[in-house]
Amino acid sequence: QVQLQQSGTELVKPASSVKISCKASGYTFTSNYMHWIRQQPGNGLEWIGWIYPGNGNTKYNQKFDGKATLTADKSSSTAYMQLSSLTSEDSAVYFCAADWEGVMDAWGQGASVTVSS
Amino acid sequence: EIVLTQSPTTMAASPGEKVTITCRASSSVSYMHWFQQKSGTSPKPWIYDTSKLASGVPDRFSGSGSGTSYSLTISSMEAEDAATYYCLQRSSYPLTFGSGTKLEIK
Repeated sequence: QVQLQQSGTELVKPASSVKISCKASGYTFTSNYMHWIRQQPGNGLEWIGWIYPGNGNTKYNQKFDGKATLTADKSSSTAYMQLSSLTSEDSAVYFCAADWEGVMDAWGQGASVTVSS
Repeated sequence: EIVLTQSPTTMAASPGEKVTITCRASSSVSYMHWFQQKSGTSPKPWIYDTSKLASGVPDRFSGSGSGTSYSLTISSMEAEDAATYYCLQRSSYPLTFGSGTKLEIK
């Protein structure tokens, strides 16, 4: 079955960077868009952007331009999101979600990022 | 950016009660998609392309709407339906979610 396995909890310092992974299985990784979504504590969902692993094309929410960088490794069916210049505002749970048969119809379990000195 | 406004923000319904959650878009969208999220878990696809139920979703759920007004309806509330529901539009970038409707059981 379709599975997205994300990396674990991260505790990082302000001004640093963090890279979150999302390993896909059960479907053709290169033929489906992978989205990234942020959920700040107690808040709703925000779309960060997508990557098309087949050709590496990306589309970002302008709000996250310069903050998030999406990449994908076809050999390991893994998508990555790097977040840079971290502040407390970046403390959140980050989800990957694949367009498999429809719209964001497979989700990872979420990766918690806490930014604190 | 298309802003999605959900109402109500929170609500409580009794078992067997009919529930309607609305999602209004600041500009016309082609379809609306809905997700269910329970505390501490990932969102689940619930309704896609406005009215199609995702796999495993009970048929007491339905979706409808067009243009700038969409809704999710539960014909008869059950305890397991207590969750937060989000709408999503992907008609234009950036993709945007509604702020969520928290549905509780009375």
